[in-house]
Amino acid sequence: EAQVTQNPRYLITVTGKKLTVTCSQNMNHEYMSWYRQDPGLGLRQIYYSMNVEVTDKGDVPEGYKVSRKEKRNFPLILESPSPNQTSLYFCASSLSYLGRYQNTGELFFGEGSRLTVL
Amino acid sequence: AQTVTQSQPEMSVQEAETVTLSCTYDTSENNYYLFWYKQPPSRQMILVIRQEAYKQQNATENRFSVNFQKAAKSFSLKISDSQLGDTAMYFCAFKMIYGNKLVFGAGTILRVKS
Repeated sequence: EAQVTQNPRYLITVTGKKLTVTCSQNMNHEYMSWYRQDPGLGLRQIYYSMNVEVTDKGDVPEGYKVSRKEKRNFPLILESPSPNQTSLYFCASSLSYLGRYQNTGELFFGEGSRLTVL
Repeated sequence: AQTVTQSQPEMSVQEAETVTLSCTYDTSENNYYLFWYKQPPSRQMILVIRQEAYKQQNATENRFSVNFQKAAKSFSLKISDSQLGDTAMYFCAFKMIYGNKLVFGAGTILRVKS
């Protein structure tokens, strides 16, 4: 089954304790991205990756890190979490638009990770 | 930068009736894609419908249809014969042709009442 898998689904942690949210996709997608969802703000992009070893900042990258060492994995790292990073996080993947004009680039989403930082 | 605005934070509708959710966007691009995503209480993001800006015909998927007004930069979602399972948060989203990033609106909570 084609899917994007995130772990953990729920996490409560304390300020300053490093954590990693993993994301894995089995669709051989080049493009992967992280979003955070907050009430009244919709989903905002944190980081994205066009392919292995290629990552770039989205709209709200402060306090986050990512890496893309393998095509299928795109972990989100919070080195020193703070309460303002309490949010619902989504990983998403798609085929890259590059060279594929007719590709709609539909994003496939993971099931979300609810993070609470105390 | 592109922006997407959903002006209705919450809406409700009686079962079997029709409801329209509003979305406007701002862009200087001529070709792009527009999407409506549904997020039920399970939090899963489900693609409801997609519209290509270069197509004049409005997209339709079963009970879901859109009213795409390119000049007005408006992209509303109509849900006919509303069902209890339509209760969810609905997000409008924009994507440029040359790019992978989705820009989302703030969302509209839709409650279907029996």
